Amino acid sequence: AQSVSQHNHHVILSEAASLELGCNYSYGGTVNLFWYVQYPGQHLQLLLKYFSGDPLVKGIKGFEAEFIKSKFSFNLRKPSVQWSDTAEYFCAVRPKGRRALTFGSGTRLQVQP
Amino acid sequence: DSGVTQTPKHLITATGQRVTLRCSPRSGDLSVYWYQQSLDQGLQFLIQYYNGEERAKGNILERFSAQQFPDLHSELNLSSLELGDSALYFCASSVVNSATTGELFFGEGSRLTVL
Repeated sequence: AQSVSQHNHHVILSEAASLELGCNYSYGGTVNLFWYVQYPGQHLQLLLKYFSGDPLVKGIKGFEAEFIKSKFSFNLRKPSVQWSDTAEYFCAVRPKGRRALTFGSGTRLQVQP
Repeated sequence: DSGVTQTPKHLITATGQRVTLRCSPRSGDLSVYWYQQSLDQGLQFLIQYYNGEERAKGNILERFSAQQFPDLHSELNLSSLELGDSALYFCASSVVNSATTGELFFGEGSRLTVL
């Protein structure tokens, strides 16, 4: 079945550590890719998105993601995390022609001061 | 604040009952999406409406139904509730029906607990 996989369910880092969260999808063809973040008690917010062009996408709060088509991956990175990055992160995919986003199961990031 | 409003924020009910969740999209957004977030299933797409018409259907049970009204607010009706329906139900909205923009704006969710 077509799906979105986030390999890390729970990640614990110390402040200033580097972050990389994995996301793989199984759809063929053209896709739009997204990373959303959900801070404790808040709604999901868009971090960044990829539609076309430069496969390295920069988002808000210092996050970036790289689309590697050959690996069907869209990993999220941040060079130095802060305590305020503690949240749940969701990767989402929309195959061309579809309307709704398909989300991964999420990765809970806990940053320790 | 995303501009998407969902009510109620919390709801506790019993098995077999029926509830209605309400969503007001951002001003100007014509599309409304409903998602269910549970511990074991993650975020699952249920259904999408665009300007009052159903446009896409996901993993929505037959016991669930939705509609979008002329003022663009939407309601998700859940009936014959089961314990497994306990979840966080999110509404999201977007400007257009096409895939050109992509960004969904989410509400804070309605947490349903079925006892």
